[in-house]
Parts: sequence; structure tokens; C-alpha cells
Amino acid sequence: AQSVTQLDSHVSVSEGTPVLLRCNYSSSYSPSLFWYVQHPNKGLQLLLKYTSAATLVKGINGFEAEFKKSETSFHLTKPSAHMSDAAEYFCVVSAGREAGGYQKVTFGIGTKLQVIP
Amino acid sequence: EAQVTQNPRYLITVTGKKLTVTCSQNMNHEYMSWYRQDPGLGLRQIYYSMNVEVTDKGDVPEGYKVSRKEKRNFPLILESPSPNQTSLYFCASSGFLQSDTQYFGPGTRLTVL
Repeated sequence: AQSVTQLDSHVSVSEGTPVLLRCNYSSSYSPSLFWYVQHPNKGLQLLLKYTSAATLVKGINGFEAEFKKSETSFHLTKPSAHMSDAAEYFCVVSAGREAGGYQKVTFGIGTKLQVIP
Repeated sequence: EAQVTQNPRYLITVTGKKLTVTCSQNMNHEYMSWYRQDPGLGLRQIYYSMNVEVTDKGDVPEGYKVSRKEKRNFPLILESPSPNQTSLYFCASSGFLQSDTQYFGPGTRLTVL
């Protein structure tokens, strides 16, 4: 079985303060993990991904995430929020293919980030 | 330019009238997938395809059909649409590795009356 839990459906931060979006996952296989961002009325864009190389992953626009296997977590952080960061963020797990099976992709329900001026 | 295209972008139809949403990618990707996005539910996978003539059900396949006759195209077919299929639909493609990034189309907003 495979699942993704985004612990907060909405997060509100002030501009210039840190951002933390939380994600926990479960998977029967060694997973690849992704964060995608969706700006209002737009498609989805990759922010960053973990693919079993470095556990601390840096992405676009100053975002980063740390893979913690013991905690089954992949939380997304940014030191200082900008107004343009206001969007919906999705944590995604992909697994199975490297075990010889079919690739299973599961999205979290999303976290809407509001940035207050 | 590498891209995934979907058509139409917006569609309003009536219950029971068959429709097809097209999806095409120009990146020679093996893996293609359809998702629906509903408020509070994130994106849920409808169907996916690992390669030509290889398709399988995702998490919410009921009421949908797909085909993969060519590598670049992966149409989504609603044979008898119902109002509960009103949603925002995304097509995506990627390489066949689980670590490959998915590239998403711009979305199709479907309303079934």
C-alpha cells in the first residue's frame, strides 16, 4: 500500500518569515518523492525531488526538502516567504518501478500557502 | 519546445453525451497518466500507461476509458458522462523510471450538466 499525508490543508505565513509544509508518506518500496507547485489557474510545476541520492534536496525558488526515512517524512521548507510563493503545494510519492513492478504515483491532498504582506 | 498538450481546455456538456479529451506529448515519454483534481482531494489518478498498448487502472477509473495506440497520444474517453465527473483533468507524461519528473498539461475543465 502507498499513501501520502499532507498534515496541513492551509498554511498562512507573513512575507519574509520561514515556510514549513509537512508531508508524511508510506510505501512498500523505496520511493521517489516530489513536491509540485500549482499557482492559481495554472498547471503543475516540479519544485524538487528526492531520488535516493542526497537526503537534503534543493529546488527552485529557494525551496528545499529533507528526506527522513526513520520518520517517513519529506517536509518542504523555505527560509523566507515571498508573495509569489502563494500557491498550492503537492507532495507526491512514486514507487514500485525499481522493484520490477508498475510505477504507482500517489498525490497528497495539497497544502494551500497564503503569504500575508 | 517540450510540452504536453490537452484539448479542449474547457468543455461544458450534458449527461450521457460521449466525449474525448486528447492528450499529446512530444518528449518521447513512455509513461502517461490522467488525473482529476477536485477541491480537498488533491489529484487522483484515473488511468496510466507504461507504453503503447499497455494501460492500467489508477485509483478512480470508473466511468472512464483510455487507449494508447501511439506513444505520443493518450486520449481520455467518457462514454456516458455524469455530473460527478465534473472536474479539472490533467494529463501527464514522464520517462519510465519512478524517479522521472512528470510533465503536466495545462488542464481541461469539464462541466457535465
